[in-house]
Amino acid sequence: QVQLQESGPGLVKPSETLSLTCTVSGGSIRNYYWSWIRQPPGKGLEWIGYISYSGSTSYSPSLKSRVSMSVDTSKNQFSLRVSSVTAADTAVYFCARGASPLSWGQGTLVTVSS
Amino acid sequence: DIVMTQTPLSLSVTPGQPASISCKSSESLLHSDGKTYLYWYLQKPGQSPHLLIYEVSSRLSGVPDRFSGSGSGTDFTLKISRVEAEDIGVYYCLQGLQSPRTFGPGTKVEIK
Repeated sequence: QVQLQESGPGLVKPSETLSLTCTVSGGSIRNYYWSWIRQPPGKGLEWIGYISYSGSTSYSPSLKSRVSMSVDTSKNQFSLRVSSVTAADTAVYFCARGASPLSWGQGTLVTVSS
Repeated sequence: DIVMTQTPLSLSVTPGQPASISCKSSESLLHSDGKTYLYWYLQKPGQSPHLLIYEVSSRLSGVPDRFSGSGSGTDFTLKISRVEAEDIGVYYCLQGLQSPRTFGPGTKVEIK
């Protein structure tokens, strides 16, 4: 059974870049799409985007100018970068398998604060 | 973007009683391949969401048969035939027809 685990800094300063990695275990990263979704504290789910194992991407229009995703098939990992962060980017960030997520990681809280 | 709405936004249910959640999309979710890309997720307190239903009415393996999905086009329903205490949490619908993917605002289900 595929498992996903997010990792990265829990605290990022305003105007800096948020970077997270999702490690996939129990299966290959190949032949699937991989998504990032976030959830501000006490709020609903917001789709950030997805990347295919070959590197093609689709991003949320509201975040497109600040978001990039990449995949490393040799490490069975994919990554998210969000630049120029503000307090509004504070959220639990989830990685997930599938463009319409089938399985999710446990999530990691990223706080944007000086 | 396709806008997803859900009603009600909160629901208090007596154990053993049925519950129903409505999800509406601003555009039809019917794809040219004949499938309708509407998904239902449950996020239990303190957990990540997990998929219950895909393509309107297909239950993921391991999901109890008290959960059922129905609907077509722009109108969809998730039904729980007999609510159990473990069913509490927030239920979200998601449209998977096009990017950007969009979630409904969520329906919080509590036990009376």
